Amino acid sequence: EILMTQSPPTVSVSPGERATLSCRASESVSTNLAWYQQKPGQAPRLLIYGASTRATGIPARFSASGSGTEFTLTISSLQSEDYAVYYCQQYDNWSGTFGQGTKVEI
Amino acid sequence: EVQVVQSGAEVKKPGESLKISCKGSGYYFTKFWIGWVRQKPGKGLEWMGMIYPADSDSRYSPSFQGHVTMSADKSITTAYLQWSSLKASDTAMYYCARRGYDTDGPVGFDVWGQGTMVTVSS
Repeated sequence: EILMTQSPPTVSVSPGERATLSCRASESVSTNLAWYQQKPGQAPRLLIYGASTRATGIPARFSASGSGTEFTLTISSLQSEDYAVYYCQQYDNWSGTFGQGTKVEI
Repeated sequence: EVQVVQSGAEVKKPGESLKISCKGSGYYFTKFWIGWVRQKPGKGLEWMGMIYPADSDSRYSPSFQGHVTMSADKSITTAYLQWSSLKASDTAMYYCARRGYDTDGPVGFDVWGQGTMVTVSS
């Protein structure tokens, strides 16, 4: 089973600043990588798929890159509504393991 | 509107059985895999597996194989997750989600249900 490791567990960022989140796969998943945002009491929301493509309606301040085993999600200028937990997920090879999440807080 | 709507919260005793549901609407239900995701209180997301409603082909995470059963009834565009004997450790929020596609292939889970909270307690 492919293991996904996210870092850091928590990142503290002031409004307007940049946040950079990392995700590492235990083996190559090519670009079969998604990022999700989850706010308290809500279901996750798809932000990014294909490692770098924004989902419908996702603001341009969210960007992502990577392939193989190393991936990055960047939020260029934190807005109040961006404080949440972010998960990466690989969906390669008929499986779909998630990372443990990174909490973005003030 | 494309959506998946889940059944309501459940409170069960250890050893009881349970079947929760996930109804898709607004899209061709049989053309998209439906996945199930567990989230224990205060914890992260865990991929349990997914099912293809057209033929009920299923893929399970090794962590959940043998502990739950996924099924689907395409005539009523509904997927199910069931347990034959619940344990206290099954207490969690369970989400279903549609595995989307674009021209290049899968895109992850693009439509999520609201979640079904399952509480198992004596």
